[in-house]
Amino acid sequence: KNEVEQSPQNLTAQEGEFITINCSYSVGISALHWLQQHPGGGIVSLFMLSSGKKKHGRLIATINIQEKHSSLHITASHPRDSAVYICALTGGSQGNLIFGKGTKLSVKP
Amino acid sequence: NAGVTQTPKFRILKIGQSMTLQCTQDMNHNYMYWYRQDPGMGLKLIYYSVGAGITDKGEVPNGYNVSRSTTEDFPLRLELAAPSQTSVYFCASSSTGDEQYFGPGTRLTVT
Repeated sequence: KNEVEQSPQNLTAQEGEFITINCSYSVGISALHWLQQHPGGGIVSLFMLSSGKKKHGRLIATINIQEKHSSLHITASHPRDSAVYICALTGGSQGNLIFGKGTKLSVKP
Repeated sequence: NAGVTQTPKFRILKIGQSMTLQCTQDMNHNYMYWYRQDPGMGLKLIYYSVGAGITDKGEVPNGYNVSRSTTEDFPLRLELAAPSQTSVYFCASSSTGDEQYFGPGTRLTVT
């Protein structure tokens, strides 16, 4: 069983829709990260959180430590949100990240 | 600040050739990492370093070597390239071992 499971694997939405991407994990963590990888390949950190909720613009990330679950929400989605969204854990002893396989989001105009 | 830079962006190698992937960061971060990303898979840790002169193996170190002679640089060496090393390689750095900053990646093909 993978330590980090994301769902869905692929998601297609219409512009303006509310989007939710889920991440479940099975190990103890010190922090959970949401990353964005654009078609060009670059990876950008969106959020790092260890409890509660964080908001940045149209993006909201939540985490429930007891349930070992996190969600990334995108409000009023836009085609420029099209990317792969990756959930990752800081759980390794070396401070390295343990990655999910990613959710590929496509937002149609 | 340029952040984390990687060279080259693309490379095609023949089986058995050697090469070094370069990674440099200008943020004075102690922690540096090399990951590889294969299609349909999550990134996996190859090697990491917690400071100059200190390196250690990650999850998939076979076929690779690293060195860390300065805080800024963390090159990844492939000695005898194999088709299984075809991948996209990302270097990352961190000051505290938490939030990581990624380079743009190197796309390597071994044929």
